[in-house]
Amino acid sequence: KAGVTQTPRYLIKTRGQQVTLSCSPISGHRSVSWYQQTPGQGLQFLFEYFSETQRNKGNFPGRFSGRQFSNSRSEMNVSTLELGDSALYLCASSPRGKPDNSPLHFGNGTRLTVT
Amino acid sequence: DQQVKQNSPSLSVQEGRISILNCDYTNSMFDYFLWYKKYPAEGPTFLISISSIKDKNEDGRFTVFLNKSAKHLSLHIVPSQPGDSAVYFCAATPTILTGGGNKLTFGTGTQLKVEL
Repeated sequence: KAGVTQTPRYLIKTRGQQVTLSCSPISGHRSVSWYQQTPGQGLQFLFEYFSETQRNKGNFPGRFSGRQFSNSRSEMNVSTLELGDSALYLCASSPRGKPDNSPLHFGNGTRLTVT
Repeated sequence: DQQVKQNSPSLSVQEGRISILNCDYTNSMFDYFLWYKKYPAEGPTFLISISSIKDKNEDGRFTVFLNKSAKHLSLHIVPSQPGDSAVYFCAATPTILTGGGNKLTFGTGTQLKVEL
């Protein structure tokens, strides 16, 4: 079974631009979550989608948004990029989204650098 | 406000000995806890979890202990192997508040190095 696939692996953008990151979950998984990892803040929850609906949201500004498609693939978008948005963005999927019986499976991330 | 804390950024242990990684939390609504391992350039990999209704859970060489009154959990690895060298994250979630969904709060990680 293929794992969680994130594209692209690396991305360099300029301040003020916008970016879209893509995530393909494990086949059959309906929950997709996004996390941001930075050296200073560690791993921080962005949002979770389940059956095309945002189920949970973290404490990030509205510049960060996401969506999920009917095939469970997900995208996240960051508009008006800031230098502080430079981070590793991780996508994770699980079958039903219940952490007690279906732990998250993470992709290898997209490394975003904002210059 | 760091709700999940791993106060030891690094730990060095000899092969064959026990590794003990610690984690403290402040949010009393957290009721499910997980440990993840992360190698460089890879995403975190799930290791073991524990519900707040238990105080211990074992899986092979890995055991997680939960002390709810102290809001403290620990991961024991016995025996430690060189391949265990990685960054270990503890995570917690308040399942009752998330509609059964995933919203994990992670600690900042502990770099474990298992030496020969």
